Amino acid sequence: DAGVTQSPTHLIKTRGQQVTLRCSPKSGHDTVSWYQQALGQGPQFIFQYYEEEERQRGNFPDRFSGHQFPNYSSELNVNALLLGDSALYLCASNPPGLAGGVETQYFGPGTRLLVL
Amino acid sequence: LAKTTQPISMDSYEGQEVNITCSHNNIATNDYITWYQQFPSQGPRFIIQGYKTKVTNEVASLFIPADRKSSTLSLPRVSLSDTAVYYCLVGDGTGRRALTFGSGTRLQVQP
Repeated sequence: DAGVTQSPTHLIKTRGQQVTLRCSPKSGHDTVSWYQQALGQGPQFIFQYYEEEERQRGNFPDRFSGHQFPNYSSELNVNALLLGDSALYLCASNPPGLAGGVETQYFGPGTRLLVL
Repeated sequence: LAKTTQPISMDSYEGQEVNITCSHNNIATNDYITWYQQFPSQGPRFIIQGYKTKVTNEVASLFIPADRKSSTLSLPRVSLSDTAVYYCLVGDGTGRRALTFGSGTRLQVQP
């Protein structure tokens, strides 16, 4: 049973370019969340997708957008890249379930983005 | 979301028991406490979750006092491979809401 997978593993872009990162959730999971992790810091929530809709959003500008497909996979798009967008981008998924359960988010290995 | 406070770093030696304490004074009644482990250049990995008293699994134990304003992650007999950053989070426990990570505790295990 494959866990959360992300592609590509590494990416180098220049300022002003656009980037698309991809995520496939763990089998049976229907919700995908994206996080940005700068070096030496904890992950910061970007947004969450459920039933192909953005359900929650963190404090990130509109340059960050996403999409969820019918097979639950997801994309993160970042436009007009800035040097400060250099980070590890993490995708996490969780299964359908009831509130109060022990299930929580399962993270992929991340995509390391470097903006020059 | 409740804010958590943990030590920035800890050092230990192989074979020792390590206890990492997290403060969460403003924890809500329906909040669970969840701990994650993260190795460099990898995503965080779920370790353990609890609501009150004590929870134990094959990896760790989680101790939560009656007032739930703090919790302690206990790692028995650590090895070099336990060197990682450990995050304490509080939230609804389902993972269906945004997870709020702090800076975590960097555990360094020495031989």
